[in-house]
Amino acid sequence: AQKITQTQPGMFVQEKEAVTLDCTYDTSDQSYGLFWYKQPSSGEMIFLIYQGSYDEQNATEGRYSLNFQKARKSANLVISASQLGDSAMYFCAMRDKEDAGNMLTFGGGTRLMVKP
Amino acid sequence: DAGITQSPRYKITETGRQVTLMCHQTWSHSYMFWYRQDLGHGLRLIYYSAAADITDKGEVPDGYVVSRSKTENFPLTLESATRSQTSVYFCASSVVLGRKNSPLHFGNGTRLTVT
Repeated sequence: AQKITQTQPGMFVQEKEAVTLDCTYDTSDQSYGLFWYKQPSSGEMIFLIYQGSYDEQNATEGRYSLNFQKARKSANLVISASQLGDSAMYFCAMRDKEDAGNMLTFGGGTRLMVKP
Repeated sequence: DAGITQSPRYKITETGRQVTLMCHQTWSHSYMFWYRQDLGHGLRLIYYSAAADITDKGEVPDGYVVSRSKTENFPLTLESATRSQTSVYFCASSVVLGRKNSPLHFGNGTRLTVT
């Protein structure tokens, strides 16, 4: 089974509206971390937000928030008040095994397009 | 400037040739990683390194070789390039050993085309 699944290959959102990008994950570990990255057309990978499996509150970073539903194994990214500069690929990623190399496993990504 | 630098940014090579992608970081991060990005696959881990002289395979290591003689450098070599290795390659590093919340910091990528 895929460890990280992003079911929306592409999405449109109207400027100034909120948008939710879906991410589901699969792990048997109790302790894990979830990350979201943004990749604009220029290609760099930009870290946006982190959620720990034991964090009691949903993570927020400015206009980004993470809707973490542990029982459903979902970690959806919510972008409020979309801006044209939010048009990019967005990747969900997970780190689960503490001693297994510190790497992240990535989903296939969602391309977000913000309409003016 | 501090950070993680990949070179070259773009590379075209022929099938069967050896090519090395360079990665240099100035943070003295313990962990370093090589990922490849292909349409529909997201980023897949090729190799990673926990420290100098310690490397291990990731998800898609076949056809690649890495070394890490110094903490700051982590070159990736394609010993005999194939067309299936046409991809964008990202090097990344991680600041804190084993900490769950430490993000990966990525270089700007190398776009490799194998003809």
